[in-house]
Amino acid sequence: AQKVTQAQTEISVVEKEDVTLDCVYETRDTTYYLFWYKQPPSGELVFLIRRNSFDEQNEISGRYSWNFQKSTSSFNFTITASQVVDSAVYFCALSIYNQGGKLIFGQGTELSVKP
Amino acid sequence: DVKVTQSSRYLVKRTGEKVFLECVQDMDHENMFWYRQDPGLGLRLIYFSYDVKMKEKGDIPEGYSVSREKKERFSLILESASTNQTSMYLCASSFPLQGGSNQPQHFGDGTRLSIL
Repeated sequence: AQKVTQAQTEISVVEKEDVTLDCVYETRDTTYYLFWYKQPPSGELVFLIRRNSFDEQNEISGRYSWNFQKSTSSFNFTITASQVVDSAVYFCALSIYNQGGKLIFGQGTELSVKP
Repeated sequence: DVKVTQSSRYLVKRTGEKVFLECVQDMDHENMFWYRQDPGLGLRLIYFSYDVKMKEKGDIPEGYSVSREKKERFSLILESASTNQTSMYLCASSFPLQGGSNQPQHFGDGTRLSIL
């Protein structure tokens, strides 16, 4: 069975601090995709990134970076120099190739960035 | 931009009522999904559909049914609402496999449903 675990339920930081959100996944499939979504207070989930299981290259997009390590089944997300607008719930999700695209979500991490 | 529209942001119903949640997308996506979101549990898949009139059960289909008569519209139905179905409901859509890759899902704003 597949599973995604986000052990950090809530994180609180002060603006400009760096923060890392952890994500650990379980699957026996060899082809899969990992996603991060952001859910601001308005409620809509916003897609941030997709990674396939064959691409372990880290990715940076502005203040966001992602570290994918198959050896530890982790796909961690780091926000550098956090801002108040980063306050949201962040979800990590797993999708298995050729299973209809359905997502298996972690429990979510609520990030609060204080001024 | 992809737009996924859910008919209501907030809805209050009574136990035993039949409840319809509507979702419309404007990007000609084949795949559509219904999730419910509960604190500490993340999002859990109720049903999904990969084509008109096609549907598949997700992880928690009990007490729900769906309807997809048109490609752009996916309805979630609570046959006889119960208090344990009080939750946030999120609809999503996506293209199917493209270039051998699972595609990101695009989500609506959610419907916060309360069953009294």
